[in-house]
Amino acid sequence: QKEVEQNSGPLSVPEGAIASLNCTYSDRGSQSFFWYRQYSGKSPELIMFIYSNGDKEDGRFTAQLNKASQYVSLLIRDSQPSDSATYLCAVASGGSYIPTFGRGTSLIVHP
Amino acid sequence: DTGVSQNPRHKITKRGQNVTFRCDPISEHNRLYWYRQTLGQGPEFLTYFQNEAQLEKSRLLSDRFSAERPKGSFSTLEIQRTEQGDSAMYLCASSSGGVNYGYTFGSGTRLTVV
Repeated sequence: QKEVEQNSGPLSVPEGAIASLNCTYSDRGSQSFFWYRQYSGKSPELIMFIYSNGDKEDGRFTAQLNKASQYVSLLIRDSQPSDSATYLCAVASGGSYIPTFGRGTSLIVHP
Repeated sequence: DTGVSQNPRHKITKRGQNVTFRCDPISEHNRLYWYRQTLGQGPEFLTYFQNEAQLEKSRLLSDRFSAERPKGSFSTLEIQRTEQGDSAMYLCASSSGGVNYGYTFGSGTRLTVV
């Protein structure tokens, strides 16, 4: 059973702060790691993917992957109220590359 | 092509009725996935197509569920004899394949079984 674990939150941060979201996974064979943002009542939107150990930066977002410890994180710098959403971590293994999703972490950025 | 399209957006049905949803993926994407999401949970995998071939089905997909992707284009998901527990958001996603490509989701079909 492949599992992806996320703290459901909510994680509350002030505007302008760094939000740190974490995810752990059980399948050591996992190869691809994704972060999706989901606004209430909307479908998930891909914001980052990473497949190599280390950091990957895209604008205000940084994804961090540590395969030895089986965790992946997402940092959001200069958090804005518009970043308030649920952030879903997804992990895919080789073969069919079907991603398994965590339950998501709710982020609230307050002015 | 503006993305993954799903129809209808909302469906209310009586318990025991059959329902069918449609997904039109991004045209150049050969992989198509169906997921189900309930409140407070992440999307749960249901089934996956590569072109017209249905390559994997989740154990969540009971005999009442069937999916098709004729000619490797659009896909349909049918639920027979709906139950209240089928109430959820049904999401379709597509990708161009490969381990390092993200999945683009449609807007989803919200099913309510009364």
